[in-house]
Amino acid sequence: GAVVSQHPSRVICKSGTSVKIECRSLDFQATTMFWYRQFPKQSLMLMATSNEGSKATYEQGVEKDKFLINHASLTLSTLTVTSAHPEDSSFYICSARDRTRNEQFFGPGTRLTVL
Amino acid sequence: AQSVTQPDIHITVSEGASLELRCNYSYGATPYLFWYVQSPGQGLQLLLKYFSGDTLVQGIKGFEAEFKRSQSSFNLRKPSVHWSDAAEYFCAVAPPPPRAAGNKLTFGGGTRVLVKP
Repeated sequence: GAVVSQHPSRVICKSGTSVKIECRSLDFQATTMFWYRQFPKQSLMLMATSNEGSKATYEQGVEKDKFLINHASLTLSTLTVTSAHPEDSSFYICSARDRTRNEQFFGPGTRLTVL
Repeated sequence: AQSVTQPDIHITVSEGASLELRCNYSYGATPYLFWYVQSPGQGLQLLLKYFSGDTLVQGIKGFEAEFKRSQSSFNLRKPSVHWSDAAEYFCAVAPPPPRAAGNKLTFGGGTRVLVKP
């Protein structure tokens, strides 16, 4: 149990377009989901905390209008990178918190390449 | 603000040898402590965690970690490494209750483990 999926796993887009990444908890309910960004050979940096039914909380330095987060249900959160630019190219990882187990479970990540 | 330091960026070990990965944290109180492993193309997998109690924690895949409050450390160990242990390892901390803050994780920089045959 405790599987988190991300879709797509890999996406290439043109500069100026928007890209949506989905994060789903497949076998548990997640009232809280987290979005991370990981640059090559670097650690994960928390971008935002997404709570079901409420606005996301963004970390300092993360543009909320650039990275739109929606957590519409207990099993789905989406991250939309708006007007993507090459510097947005990165590995985006979500995690979902299973409150019953007080543990986060991570998705496999989405590699975004902006041309 | 909390921070996590993993002093070793790379470690190379021979298969069958022991492994120790270092993790030091800076936090006002004892946080929740975690070790994750990230294999290429896969999500992070939790190896073990420490919330309270026994300072020697057993995890999956034969890993263990020891919490030392006096040193603000939570080092990961494995007595005998297998080739499949080659991966990136991350130490992480989260605020315990009552602050909790939704248990946001702060990660260390990671240690890449290479296993020689």
